[in-house]
Amino acid sequence: DAGVTQSPTHLIKTRGQQVTLRCSPKSGHDTVSWYQQALGQGPQFIFQYYEEEERQRGNFPDRFSGHQFPNYSSELNVNALLLGDSALYLCASSFGLGEASTLHFGNGTRLTVT
Amino acid sequence: RKEVEQDPGPFNVPEGATVAFNCTYSNSASQSFFWYRQDCRKEPKLLMSVYSSGNEDGRFTAQLNRASQYISLLIRDSKLSDSATYLCVDGGTSYGKLTFGQGTILTVHP
Repeated sequence: DAGVTQSPTHLIKTRGQQVTLRCSPKSGHDTVSWYQQALGQGPQFIFQYYEEEERQRGNFPDRFSGHQFPNYSSELNVNALLLGDSALYLCASSFGLGEASTLHFGNGTRLTVT
Repeated sequence: RKEVEQDPGPFNVPEGATVAFNCTYSNSASQSFFWYRQDCRKEPKLLMSVYSSGNEDGRFTAQLNRASQYISLLIRDSKLSDSATYLCVDGGTSYGKLTFGQGTILTVHP
């Protein structure tokens, strides 16, 4: 039973570039949420996707966008990268819009912006 | 004021010690709370949910005080394997959006 898988595991980009991160949810899950975790901080909620629509969004600028595909996998896109976007990006999946205790996190993608 | 505040530590304790972590939250309407554990360079994993009546799971006890908007985690008989960052989490009022504290670093030494 595959858990949440994210790719790539590490990524280095230059300021101003664009990046796409990918997430496959745990088998049986249909909801995907994305979090940003800066060094020494707790994860911060970016947005949540369910039925291919963005359902909730945290306090992140429009440079952060996402997509969910019919197979429930998801992408996070960040445009015009800033140094401050360097962080661990975590994908979490769950079944439906149920209780948060069912959230399962992937290993994350570590993004470095130089 | 931060939505979820934790003492970042670090806490350095010997094996067998009892250690307590505290956390405060600002959203009085929040319905659910959790403690997550995060090992170095790994993803967060759910440790336990927190209920007003208090709940215990082996060596771990969590407590919620709604009046004071305060959450605690008690670890008894600390093991080396308990070394990690402990994240206090407010589940808010809408499913799937978790608000994490900064995390408290625990190191258990021999």
